[in-house]
Amino acid sequence: QQQVKQSPQSLIVQKGGISIINCAYENTAFDYFPWYQQFPGKGPALLIAIRPDVSEKKEGRFTISFNKSAKQFSLHIMDSQPGDSATYFCAASMDTGRRALTFGSGTRLQVQP
Amino acid sequence: ETGVTQSPTHLIKTRGQQVTLRCSSQSGHNTVSWYQQALGQGPQFIFQYYREEENGRGNFPPRFSGLQFPNYSSELNVNALELDDSALYLCASSPFAGGDEQYFGPGTRLTVT
Repeated sequence: QQQVKQSPQSLIVQKGGISIINCAYENTAFDYFPWYQQFPGKGPALLIAIRPDVSEKKEGRFTISFNKSAKQFSLHIMDSQPGDSATYFCAASMDTGRRALTFGSGTRLQVQP
Repeated sequence: ETGVTQSPTHLIKTRGQQVTLRCSSQSGHNTVSWYQQALGQGPQFIFQYYREEENGRGNFPPRFSGLQFPNYSSELNVNALELDDSALYLCASSPFAGGDEQYFGPGTRLTVT
């Protein structure tokens, strides 16, 4: 019940295209869903996050879509750029007084010029 | 405002040895969480420290232990190293124990031979 399942494992997109990464969760106690971007040799960087009371959140070229009934959420990267090439992780946490993040397995995105 | 820093960057140890990793939290953050990221996987929660006390632990054995100091910096200690302990160890800080947003450091790459 603590798992967050992420797909696809890898993704190749042409420059200017839309990258879509999907995640699904089981535990309905999760109430915070962030996405992290990680470049090789670096720590994960918080990209964007959403709570279940909204269905969509947009920040620049990055959008999270959230479907509470399906227990799924996705990251959309519009106008993908070669600089977006990185590994993306979805995550989830619940309010237990400590907010431990449960991460998906990651999606390696390659944006071709 | 300084970000999360970790030391050392890389470390090579022999099976059975002990290791100490260090983390300085982001300015103004009093909560530190440690994660283990095996190659090609998402980070896994080890434990969290808040006000110098352990505030929750993931599914890791007692040979993984930690400390938090009055300046909110933290240490992760691993005793009796095993080959499977080879991973990137990430420290994340947040403004308070129940805070949603966690900001990661660059990590320490530990190799156990």
